[in-house]
Amino acid sequence: GAVVSQHPSWVICKSGTSVKIECRSLDFQATTMFWYRQFPKQSLMLMATSNEGSKATYEQGVEKDKFLINHASLTLSTLTVTSAHPEDSSFYICSARDPSGILDTQYFGPGTRLTVL
Amino acid sequence: GNSVTQMEGPVTLSEEAFLTINCTYTATGYPSLFWYVQYPGEGLQLLLKATKADDKGSNKGFEATYRKETTSFHLEKGSVQVSDSAVYFCALTMNTGFQKLVFGTGTRLLVSP
Repeated sequence: GAVVSQHPSWVICKSGTSVKIECRSLDFQATTMFWYRQFPKQSLMLMATSNEGSKATYEQGVEKDKFLINHASLTLSTLTVTSAHPEDSSFYICSARDPSGILDTQYFGPGTRLTVL
Repeated sequence: GNSVTQMEGPVTLSEEAFLTINCTYTATGYPSLFWYVQYPGEGLQLLLKATKADDKGSNKGFEATYRKETTSFHLEKGSVQVSDSAVYFCALTMNTGFQKLVFGTGTRLLVSP
């Protein structure tokens, strides 16, 4: 099946620094990628929808200046958490939509655990 | 808006027991329905899907039938294994636009030997 990778798998940073998380579709071209946030023992919350070559669409309540998303190519989207604070600590998950298959499906990355000290 | 409701967990079963995880949805229109599974320390994996009423999705012994009349998509497995221990998420997407997924809260399944 299709593979989506994320890098890094975990990161620890100091408060006030910025962290970049990469999401790559390894064997298909993803015109649309999604970024989610998952709190412990809770469901996934969609943060934004990222389309190659255009600005991301953010969900209500998500600060676009804090969570910068860049979808530079058909296989890469990045999420940058700017000026991170402890409340930004979470599990961030991306998914990539593969519209080319018989079944239009989203494939999920393994997630990135961010801890802000 | 569109939403998904799942039964709260954890669901604790012995190996070879029958599993049902309930899922109901609210949607304007005709969504596609999904079950995703998240094993400990891993990302979500698509388990099965159904795109229209009365469709049955199946994979790895799991099944779910898209019931429009009851707006449900319950997950079942006849005989669970310890390796099925995971968190199961029911989700829907409307087949328009960016096809954003709407997830339920997830149900943790614990299977003991």
